[in-house]
This record gives sequence, structure tokens and C-alpha cells, in this order.
Amino acid sequence: QVHLVESGGGVVQPGRSLRLSCAASGFTFSRYVMHWVRQAPGKGLEWVASMWSDGSNKYYADSVKGRFTISRDNSKNTLYLQMNSLRAEDTAVYYCASQVALGYWGQGTLVTVSS
Amino acid sequence: EIVLTQSPGTLSLSPGERATLSCRASQSVTNSYLAWYQQKPGQAPRLLIYGASSRATGIPDRFSGSGSGTDFTLTINRLEPEDFAVYYCQQYDSSPYTFGQGTKLEIK
Repeated sequence: QVHLVESGGGVVQPGRSLRLSCAASGFTFSRYVMHWVRQAPGKGLEWVASMWSDGSNKYYADSVKGRFTISRDNSKNTLYLQMNSLRAEDTAVYYCASQVALGYWGQGTLVTVSS
Repeated sequence: EIVLTQSPGTLSLSPGERATLSCRASQSVTNSYLAWYQQKPGQAPRLLIYGASSRATGIPDRFSGSGSGTDFTLTINRLEPEDFAVYYCQQYDSSPYTFGQGTKLEIK
């Protein structure tokens, strides 16, 4: 059975940092592209970042470029999102998701940026 | 950046009817790398269709996807009560891997 479990969310002040983790199980994590997607309260889905299986390519939304860093540890089956210089507009539920065709999504972790 | 525009914004239908949802891209989505998702309140999105027309595992055959290039359609035949939700399209052809703004399918 496939599981993607995000953790690391919480309340953080503007300008501070937070690191999200996504622990994967039930599939061969190291073979697949992985993504972060977020959803602000009451809003639609926004793609945030993607990383190739071997780490050779990383892509970011313009809204987070230069502030967020996606990474992965294939030996630990874990995906990360380092979020620096957080802003109020980064407040959202953050989902990790597998390569699209697999269709695996986590349940999400809420990040609230507020003073 | 490929901008995806979904229409209509809200669709009001009754159980048993057919729903037709549109997703139009600002430029061609090559290789038909277009997916459709269903999302219910408080839940993560659920993949319905990938590659424009391939049903994901476990998705009932009343859901079908079609289209290519810039125009894509999700059709839901014989609506069931559990189908009323928000639907998103996403292109994964080129970064940024954009989503449409969503179509809310509500019970009439």
C-alpha cells in the first residue's frame, strides 16, 4: 500500500524558515519524479516545485524561486522542501505528489505564515 | 508559461446527467501531458485522467478524457452523488506545471 506522509508544517513568522518532509512507502521512490503542490485556504491548486528521480533537474514556480529548495534522499525514500524568507502569501496546505501518472498524493501539511 | 483556463467555473447538474468540463491551454500541450483531478473538501486531489485520456487506477469508466493540443475535455457520464466536487486540469508538459483554476460541479 502506497503512503506519502508530509510533516514539518506549522505556524511561522514572516521571514523565517521551515523545512517540510515527505516520507514515501509502498512504491520505488527512487525511480520517479516528485512534486510539491500547495493550496492556499479556499483557493485552487498551485504547483510549487519538482525534482527528477536522480536529482538531475529541479524546477520551481516563479513565486518561490530563490526562496524554496526541493531535495530528496532516495536512501531514505524522503522528499524535502526547504522554505526560506517565508511570506504571508506562502500560507497553504502543502502536498507532496508522485510523478503524475502514478497519482500518489499525501494528505498535506498546513503552513501558516503569520506574525 | 502555459496558462490553463477551465470552463465553466461552476456547473449545476442533477445525478444521472452528463457533465462536460473544458480545459483550454494558452499554447499546445505536447505529448498530451494533461491530467484531470477531483478534489473534495478537506481531501487531497485524486488523479482521474493522465495523458489526456488514460484513466487512473480504480477510476470508474463513467469518467473519460479527450482532446489534444490546446483543447481538452473531461466527461462524466451518469453523474453519481459522489461526483459532485471541484475538478482541476494540470499540464505536465513543460515547467511551470500549471493547474487550471478549477470547475465546481454542484448538485442542481
